[in-house]
Amino acid sequence: GENVEQHPSTLSVQEGDSAVIKCTYSDSASNYFPWYKQELGKRPQLIIDIRSNVGEKKDQRIAVTLNKTAKHFSLHITETQPEDSAVYFCAAGSGTYKYIFGTGTRLKVLA
Amino acid sequence: DADVTQTPRNRITKTGKRIMLECSQTKGHDRMYWYRQDPGLGLQLIYYSFDVKDINKGEISDGYSVSRQAQAKFSLSLESAIPNQTALYFCATSRPSGGQETQYFGPGTRLLVL
Repeated sequence: GENVEQHPSTLSVQEGDSAVIKCTYSDSASNYFPWYKQELGKRPQLIIDIRSNVGEKKDQRIAVTLNKTAKHFSLHITETQPEDSAVYFCAAGSGTYKYIFGTGTRLKVLA
Repeated sequence: DADVTQTPRNRITKTGKRIMLECSQTKGHDRMYWYRQDPGLGLQLIYYSFDVKDINKGEISDGYSVSRQAQAKFSLSLESAIPNQTALYFCATSRPSGGQETQYFGPGTRLLVL
């Protein structure tokens, strides 16, 4: 069935360093790729998304890249700060209501 | 997002009990969803609804039922709760946007089944 693999499951970086989280999807019909951030005890919130007709999108310290040929997309966070510590989820959507979520990456930014 | 609310926020129940989790939204969105979150498993779709008359099963609907009472309200029921239904439950909403639509999540309901 359709699935989204997300790696790594945990990631620790020093404050100021960059963090990269990678996702691979199986459904070639997927055309929408959102990223959600979930702080401890809070709800998931959209931080950035990318559509299939775009290869890269950037919003301040956050960027997402998409390689449709290889069916993978990545989240890049530069100049990490302690408040970036959270669980990050990728998802893939295929032109319907439905997302398939990755299993999450717990990011710890060490001060 | 204060526009999507869930009640209760925490619930402890016993095996075999029937419980209902409620979701309300003021975003005016037609589409509503119920997800379950378990550690290390991400978010799994239980049920979704495109409008009041449309209810669909998601990936893990067994043991759950839903009711869409109005555009703004979508309830999830566990008819006979079992311990492996202990999880964090999220409601979400979205507006149709050609399949590329942002989902907005409620604050979650933490359920413990003893």
